[in-house]
Amino acid sequence: GQQLNQSPQSMFIQEGEDVSMNCTSSSIFNTWLWYKQDPGEGPVLLIALYKAGELTSNGRLTAQFGITRKDSFLNISASIPSDVGIYFCAGQNYGGSQGNLIFGKGTKLSVKP
Amino acid sequence: EAQVTQNPRYLITVTGKKLTVTCSQNMNHEYMSWYRQDPGLGLRQIYYSMNVEVTDKGDVPEGYKVSRKEKRNFPLILESPSPNQTSLYFCASSRSGGGFYNSPLHFGNGTRLTVT
Repeated sequence: GQQLNQSPQSMFIQEGEDVSMNCTSSSIFNTWLWYKQDPGEGPVLLIALYKAGELTSNGRLTAQFGITRKDSFLNISASIPSDVGIYFCAGQNYGGSQGNLIFGKGTKLSVKP
Repeated sequence: EAQVTQNPRYLITVTGKKLTVTCSQNMNHEYMSWYRQDPGLGLRQIYYSMNVEVTDKGDVPEGYKVSRKEKRNFPLILESPSPNQTSLYFCASSRSGGGFYNSPLHFGNGTRLTVT
């Protein structure tokens, strides 16, 4: 089946640093989503991307839908301690199983104050 | 408040003892789904439902059952739980499919299941 490769698996950074993570796939996706999971809670949607080349921001977060439709990245600028958590990318191909949103394995972010 | 509610939050059981994890959403969403989260494996879809009485297998359906008799509820049933089903489970819902335009998935807070 389709798979997403998310990297890095984990990051340890200093408060104030910028963060970059990405997802790649061997298949084309029509939608890319980025979620964040705080400890003990369910994932929460950060940014949704629906068009190849789209660049969208949400506060200090910026995400892009790759032109090839096979990748996406998420950047966090000027990290703060509450950015700690697991970040997941997710992709969906409308042409495939309509209900199947594929998730990456997550990037665990740790921020040192 | 719009939310997806799972119960229980924590459950410890023994091998073979049937159990049900409930999931309810109050947003009139058509689409509901169950995921399990395991270290190093991310979120894997178990079953999903596009609407009432319409369910389909995800990536890891073995050992699980679901039903969708009403729009708001989507229980996950483990007829004979085994230790390899020890995991963190999430229910999610969306207006219509998890990735469709303006229809993002909303997740519950999870159910941590331990099968001994």
